[in-house]
Amino acid sequence: NAGVMQNPRHLVRRRGQEARLRCSPMKGHSHVYWYRQLPEEGLKFMVYLQKENIIDESGMPKERFSAEFPKEGPSILRIQQVVRGDSAAYFCASSPGVQGEAFFGQGTRLTVV
Amino acid sequence: KNEVEQSPQNLTAQEGEFITINCSYSVGISALHWLQQHPGGGIVSLFMLSSGKKKHGRLIATINIQEKHSSLHITASHPRDSAVYICAVSLTTGTASKLTFGTGTRLQVTL
Repeated sequence: NAGVMQNPRHLVRRRGQEARLRCSPMKGHSHVYWYRQLPEEGLKFMVYLQKENIIDESGMPKERFSAEFPKEGPSILRIQQVVRGDSAAYFCASSPGVQGEAFFGQGTRLTVV
Repeated sequence: KNEVEQSPQNLTAQEGEFITINCSYSVGISALHWLQQHPGGGIVSLFMLSSGKKKHGRLIATINIQEKHSSLHITASHPRDSAVYICAVSLTTGTASKLTFGTGTRLQVTL
């Protein structure tokens, strides 16, 4: 039973490019959370999704960031027109239900040059 | 003031020492989590607890709901325990996995 899979593990983008981060939840998990860890800062909640629905996006920047969790396939966190300040580790976690414990992926480390 | 505070921020111990990391929170919670993060690595969930005490190997986590305080203890510490330990809470107003995090305690265990 594979854990939460995130890819790529490392991603380098030039300013202005798009970044796509993927998260495949654990088998049987239909709830996905995205978190961001800025350099030398703590983790912050970004968005919570269930299949085909965004439940809570209160932590998402209003512009350039979007997330989806389609019926088939992984959850995608998309950052358009990246800037240096987007450089961070992005973690995905999945859980089997609303009150289930979350399991984290290895993270994607985004570097914007 | 952060909703979740950890102390100490940094901790150095010698192999074999007993280690305690503290976490205080100021909000209503449904659960408290202890997480471990190795440098450049992923995040591993160590404990999720809402009352009392849990033990796993050399790790023990306790929570006092009335005092809004939790502790993570490591017995017989080892260099492989060197990592950042993060306290996080599930708010009563949210789901269990929408977490609010402390800033972490960086632990280094030396030989």
